[in-house]
Amino acid sequence: DVKVTQSSRYLVKRTGEKVFLECVQDMDHENMFWYRQDPGLGLRLIYFSYDVKMKEKGDIPEGYSVSREKKERFSLILESASTNQTSMYLCASSNRQGVLYEQYFGPGTRLTVT
Amino acid sequence: GENVEQHPSTLSVQEGDSAVIKCTYSDSASNYFPWYKQELGKGPQLIIDIRSNVGEKKDQRIAVTLNKTAKHFSLHITETQPEDSAVYFCAASILFITDSWGKLQFGAGTQVVVTP
Repeated sequence: DVKVTQSSRYLVKRTGEKVFLECVQDMDHENMFWYRQDPGLGLRLIYFSYDVKMKEKGDIPEGYSVSREKKERFSLILESASTNQTSMYLCASSNRQGVLYEQYFGPGTRLTVT
Repeated sequence: GENVEQHPSTLSVQEGDSAVIKCTYSDSASNYFPWYKQELGKGPQLIIDIRSNVGEKKDQRIAVTLNKTAKHFSLHITETQPEDSAVYFCAASILFITDSWGKLQFGAGTQVVVTP
């Protein structure tokens, strides 16, 4: 059974803290994605990575950075958390080979910044 | 860039009735249109997708239709059941043979509630 896991389901941080969200996939997928989900806005892409140490900005990268040191792990970093980064964060992965474009999502991390 | 609009934002249906969710996209180059279902407490999961060279696709009680000229596509759920209650997202993407990143542009989502 394919699996994407995220390090925390719920996280509460203070304004200005550095926050790390971790994502691990066990499917040997090349592509990994970070989204944030907000009511009425759907899923918005923050960053994605198509290979180890490679990253591309998504639609809303401001205030975030990412790290991919190993193929199975993709980290989202909030350098200095702000209240407007309170949201649900979803990680996903997909296979780069062939014609399979399905993205597999983790359960999400609900981050609250106070 | 691509912009995907999804309607309605909420949809209440009686068990056994049909549900229809509609999406429009802006970029005529988009050629791949998946639908994801998100159950409470879980991440979204792909339920059906359609490529631009196909007008309709069915999988048991769900079907998707695509009108490339009008740039809109729809999800149809027939004989709805309580387990169909979830948030549904449409998405659009431009896929190339040499680029399988599969970057998706999602709609805002539709909360479907099926009442017994």
